Amino acid sequence: AAGVIQSPRHLIKEKRETATLKCYPIPRHDTVYWYQQGPGQDPQFLISFYEKMQSDKGSIPDRFSAQQFSDYHSELNMSSLELGDSALYFCASSSRSWGVSYEQYFGPGTRLTVT
Amino acid sequence: AQKVTQAQTEISVVEKEDVTLDCVYETRDTTYYLFWYKQPPSGELVFLIRRNSFDEQNEISGRYSWNFQKSTSSFNFTITASQVVDSAVYFCALSEARETSGSRLTFGEGTQLTVNP
Repeated sequence: AAGVIQSPRHLIKEKRETATLKCYPIPRHDTVYWYQQGPGQDPQFLISFYEKMQSDKGSIPDRFSAQQFSDYHSELNMSSLELGDSALYFCASSSRSWGVSYEQYFGPGTRLTVT
Repeated sequence: AQKVTQAQTEISVVEKEDVTLDCVYETRDTTYYLFWYKQPPSGELVFLIRRNSFDEQNEISGRYSWNFQKSTSSFNFTITASQVVDSAVYFCALSEARETSGSRLTFGEGTQLTVNP
């Protein structure tokens, strides 16, 4: 079965640089979520999109932005990177029916290292 | 605000032992969903189970079983006859039902389970 695809899997950037993470949801899933997981931490919700519109926003820094495109893939753009942005970034997708989102399936994650 | 607490930070067992991972949650909603995810050393998050707040039936899937008790706001996870491959971090998570927004997951801190041969 098709899974969530994330690219790149690993990314090394320097402070103040910019990074773009990509996410391709499971086919026919209409909702995409982004989470950030710091070392030894639980995943923290950043932002979500439903049918290409932002549907919810969590603890996402102003330096980060995201969007969902017409083909449902999503990109997380991160600017002015800081050392503290080093983390595993997960994308998850789910389908929704009658206002209820079902289980979220996670991609393998992108490990971002900021030096 | 919603909150999930996994009081057990680390658990170590010997293969074939049974082990229970505890999860306690807080929410003001009457409709909500509970989940368990597994994160093996390779890092991916693997979905294990989803439960809605109206269904308190316990569930068994092979060596895995889940006990949902609304009265104590708990959703515990038991692995029977544990195996080395069960070694991972296990996260309990909660989402509230929202008509117009996405159902973000709030995770507990996770429990590191180590199964020794």
